[in-house]
Amino acid sequence: DIQMTQSPSSLSAPVGDRVTITCRTSQNIFNYVNWYQQKPGKAPYLLIYAASSVQSGVPARFSGSGSGTEFTLTIDSLQLDDFATYFCQESFSNTPTFGGGTKVEI
Amino acid sequence: QVQLQESGPGLVKPSQTLSLTCTVSGASISKGGYYWGWIRQPAGKGLEWIGRIYASGSTNYSPSLKSRVTISGDSSKNVISLKVSSVSAADTAVYYCARTMTGHNDAMDVWGQGTPVIVSS
Repeated sequence: DIQMTQSPSSLSAPVGDRVTITCRTSQNIFNYVNWYQQKPGKAPYLLIYAASSVQSGVPARFSGSGSGTEFTLTIDSLQLDDFATYFCQESFSNTPTFGGGTKVEI
Repeated sequence: QVQLQESGPGLVKPSQTLSLTCTVSGASISKGGYYWGWIRQPAGKGLEWIGRIYASGSTNYSPSLKSRVTISGDSSKNVISLKVSSVSAADTAVYYCARTMTGHNDAMDVWGQGTPVIVSS
């Protein structure tokens, strides 16, 4: 299995801040990383696919970068609606795995 | 607009088989270009991928669950089914079905609302 190490597990930031979440993988997976947002009691929501492509309808303050074994999700100017848990996911293998999640709090 | 809706018993006894259904509307599960899969999430924990099925009927399963999981599709009803045998308390979770786009890095772009399952006697 490909291991996904996501950090930090939680962070606290004020509205307007820039937030960065990182995922490191146990092997080179090129750009096969996707990012999801999940709010309490709701299903995950796709934000970024192929490491840096923004899903249709997702606000421009969300961006992704990275390749190989290190990937980053950045939220520019954090909004109240962004307080949630974020997960990375590798899609390089036929049995995808998720990172442990990052809870973004005020 | 594609929508997925999970359904099934919310309570299953230990050692029995958990059976869930995902009804797909707005898209055909028999059309290529997508996988249809299952993911679960224990309360307060992360996401665990369970498995998926392609339009052709081919499947992939999580290595840790492979011996107990079966995913199937019924194109006449446009539903995907999940069976997990020999369940224990560790299988208690919210179960989601999701569509995976093969043309977009195998990203899961549409999710059901999830259905909670408790394993308890």
